[in-house]
Amino acid sequence: KAGVTQTPRYLIKTRGQQVTLSCSPISGHRSVSWYQQTPGQGLQFLFEYFSETQRNKGNFPGRFSGRQFSNSRSEMNVSTLELGDSALYLCASSQTSGRAVNEQFFGPGTRLTVL
Amino acid sequence: AQSVSQHNHHVILSEAASLELGCNYSYGGTVNLFWYVQYPGQHLQLLLKYFSGDPLVKGIKGFEAEFIKSKFSFNLRKPSVQWSDTAEYFCAVTSKDTNAGKSTFGDGTTLTVKP
Repeated sequence: KAGVTQTPRYLIKTRGQQVTLSCSPISGHRSVSWYQQTPGQGLQFLFEYFSETQRNKGNFPGRFSGRQFSNSRSEMNVSTLELGDSALYLCASSQTSGRAVNEQFFGPGTRLTVL
Repeated sequence: AQSVSQHNHHVILSEAASLELGCNYSYGGTVNLFWYVQYPGQHLQLLLKYFSGDPLVKGIKGFEAEFIKSKFSFNLRKPSVQWSDTAEYFCAVTSKDTNAGKSTFGDGTTLTVKP
């Protein structure tokens, strides 16, 4: 099976712009989660989507949003970018049965730099 | 709220030395526990996981971890490290009761193995 793929791998934006990141989960995985990884804050949970619905949300401002499509692919959007949004954004997919979740499989991430 | 604490930020060992990385979590309910590894230039991958049953779990590459419920701990061990084990190691927790696709990560431990 192909792994989790994320596009683009690298992105440079300026403050105030918006950005959309894409994630394709492993085939058959219906749960997609997004994380922000920074040297200072580590790995922080952004949100999780399951069957096109946001199931969990972390403590990030409303500028961070996401969605999931019927084929389980997911996008996350960050509006009005700030310098502090520079980070590696990781997508993870997992198989779930109800609330039970197996391990998460991570993609390579999108490195976002905000200038 | 869940939290995960990893005791060491940076560990330096010589090849063949034994390794133990500490991980403690804070959560009142039932949890799933994970150790992930991130090799330089690679994405996060699962080392091992604990869902239930035998509290001593074995993972890939000779790693093992022991879940001690009374201590809220899930320490990672390896009897003899190799230079190729140089990487960053993350302990993570998910709740069995809620937040199925949300993992809470520790801050990570950077392991450097000297040849």
